[in-house]
Amino acid sequence: GAVVSQHPSRVICKSGTSVKIECRSLDFQATTMFWYRQFPKQSLMLMATSNEGSKATYEQGVEKDKFLINHASLTLSTLTVTSAHPEDSSFYICSASTAGVETQYFGPGTRLLVL
Amino acid sequence: KQEVTQIPAALSVPEGENLVLNCSFTDSAIYNLQWFRQDPGKGLTSLLLIQSSQREQTSGRLNASLDKSSGRSTLYIAASQPGDSATYLCAVPSGNTPLVFGKGTRLSVIA
Repeated sequence: GAVVSQHPSRVICKSGTSVKIECRSLDFQATTMFWYRQFPKQSLMLMATSNEGSKATYEQGVEKDKFLINHASLTLSTLTVTSAHPEDSSFYICSASTAGVETQYFGPGTRLLVL
Repeated sequence: KQEVTQIPAALSVPEGENLVLNCSFTDSAIYNLQWFRQDPGKGLTSLLLIQSSQREQTSGRLNASLDKSSGRSTLYIAASQPGDSATYLCAVPSGNTPLVFGKGTRLSVIA
């Protein structure tokens, strides 16, 4: 149980285009979803926290107009990287948790390469 | 601001060896600490979660200890196997941030 999926697993796009990444909780209702970014040999850095039906809370330094997060249902959150640039190339990982449970369940990650 | 440091950054050992990975954190006011495993290009798998009231947790060949007052945790892996090769991440909650991660220790177990 507690499986989280991400789609796509890998995406290559041209600079200036937008990319959408999906995060789904497959067998539980995720009241909260988290989006992380991981650069090579670096820590996972929290980008934003989203609760179903409300606006995401972004960490300091993360541009909310560039990284659009939607958590429209209890099983789906999306991260859209708008007008992507090469410096946005990274590994994006989502996680999900359910109410009253402190454990986060992580997705397999999405590798984004912006050319 | 919570900072998590993991030492060593990389470790290579022969199969069968016992090994210890270290994690330190600057703010000892934590309510738990987690160890994760990350395979290359993959997501995270939770290995062990230690509550602040506990001193250690065990799962199979893995044993994690927590010394909250000194801001340290260790992950002990017994009888290492090539399948244990991965990056091991330590993480603690901090304020409104649910998890603050270290950079990880990249482990290679050589057959």
